[in-house]
Amino acid sequence: GQQVQQSPASLVLQEGENAELQCNFSTSLNSMQWFYQRPGGSLVSLFYNPSGTKHSGRLTSTTVIKERRSSLHISSSQTTDSGTYLCASTSSGQKLVFGQGTILKVYL
Amino acid sequence: GGIITQTPKFLIGQEGQKLTLKCQQNFNHDTMYWYRQDSGKGLRLIYYSITENDLQKGDLSEGYDASREKKSSFSLTVTSAQKNEMAVFLCASSIGFNQDTQYFGPGTRLLVL
Repeated sequence: GQQVQQSPASLVLQEGENAELQCNFSTSLNSMQWFYQRPGGSLVSLFYNPSGTKHSGRLTSTTVIKERRSSLHISSSQTTDSGTYLCASTSSGQKLVFGQGTILKVYL
Repeated sequence: GGIITQTPKFLIGQEGQKLTLKCQQNFNHDTMYWYRQDSGKGLRLIYYSITENDLQKGDLSEGYDASREKKSSFSLTVTSAQKNEMAVFLCASSIGFNQDTQYFGPGTRLLVL
């Protein structure tokens, strides 16, 4: 089944810096989703992005199917961006598989 | 928009106890999921249900039972709580199975003494 490698495991940034989070998948993608989780909070879907590039404010998600990877770019990070970012994917007909998550800490 | 509610928010149990977690959604979604989130291990699927009265095992179903009583609700039972167990249980729903965005509830935090 699908396996997901997420990197980095944790990331510390000063406010204003950009962040690049990566997910690599072991098999071909059928669907792909990025989530955000505030400490102690629920998961919020950021992008449903099985292919191509999508933008939402300071966030950009790019999925390259043939390379089996997806990235999440956060520009001009803010302290409120701190939390855990999770990617998840399925291969055809299989269950959604989550990465381990990237813990992001943005300080002033 | 819709909302997913999970009860209780915090659950403290004793070793060997049977504990039930509840989830309700008003999206009118067909598919619902239960995940377990442990620190450093991401989310793992316990059970899912494609429609009312349907039940499918996930990767972590041993030690759990589930029940989809109606389209809007999905319950999870820990059949025998393990001592020192600590995890967050997340309920989610989507229109279809794994083809659509999944929406998550706030979670139930479990601690077993």
